[in-house]
Amino acid sequence: KAGVTQTPRYLIKTRGQQVTLSCSPISGHRSVSWYQQTPGQGLQFLFEYFSETQRNKGNFPGRFSGRQFSNSRSEMNVSTLELGDSALYLCASSPRTSGNTGELFFGEGSRLTVL
Amino acid sequence: DQQVKQNSPSLSVQEGRISILNCDYTNSMFDYFLWYKKYPAEGPTFLISISSIKDKNEDGRFTVFLNKSAKHLSLHIVPSQPGDSAVYFCAARAVGGTSYGKLTFGQGTILTVHP
Repeated sequence: KAGVTQTPRYLIKTRGQQVTLSCSPISGHRSVSWYQQTPGQGLQFLFEYFSETQRNKGNFPGRFSGRQFSNSRSEMNVSTLELGDSALYLCASSPRTSGNTGELFFGEGSRLTVL
Repeated sequence: DQQVKQNSPSLSVQEGRISILNCDYTNSMFDYFLWYKKYPAEGPTFLISISSIKDKNEDGRFTVFLNKSAKHLSLHIVPSQPGDSAVYFCAARAVGGTSYGKLTFGQGTILTVHP
């Protein structure tokens, strides 16, 4: 079974630009979550999508947005990039069934550098 | 408001000895606790979890202990191996059933196991 796939793996942008990151979950997983990892901050929850609907949102400004398609693939977008947006963006999928213990399956991440 | 804290940024142990990684939390609504391991340039991988109704869960060399009264959990690795060198994240899920994709992570502890 293929794992969670994120593209692109690395990208460099300049301040003020916008970026779109893509995530393909594990086949059969309908929940996709996004996290931001920065040094010293651990992983910060951005949002979760399930059946094309945003189910949860973290404490990030409106410049961060996402969506999910009918095939469960997800994209996240960051507009008007700031230097502080430089981070590793991780996508995770989950089967989201009852009894689920919270285990998430992560992709390798998209490393964004803002200059 | 850091609801999950890993107060030790790093830990160094000798191969064959025990590694103990600690995690404290403040939110009484957490019902599942998980440990993830992360190698550089890879996404976090699930290691072991524990339900809030248990105080111990064991899986091979890895054991997680939960002390609810102290709001503290720890991960024991015995015996430690050089391949265990990685960043370890403690994570927690809040009870409620709607937040399958949302975990609250600690800042991580870098474990180095010396041969």
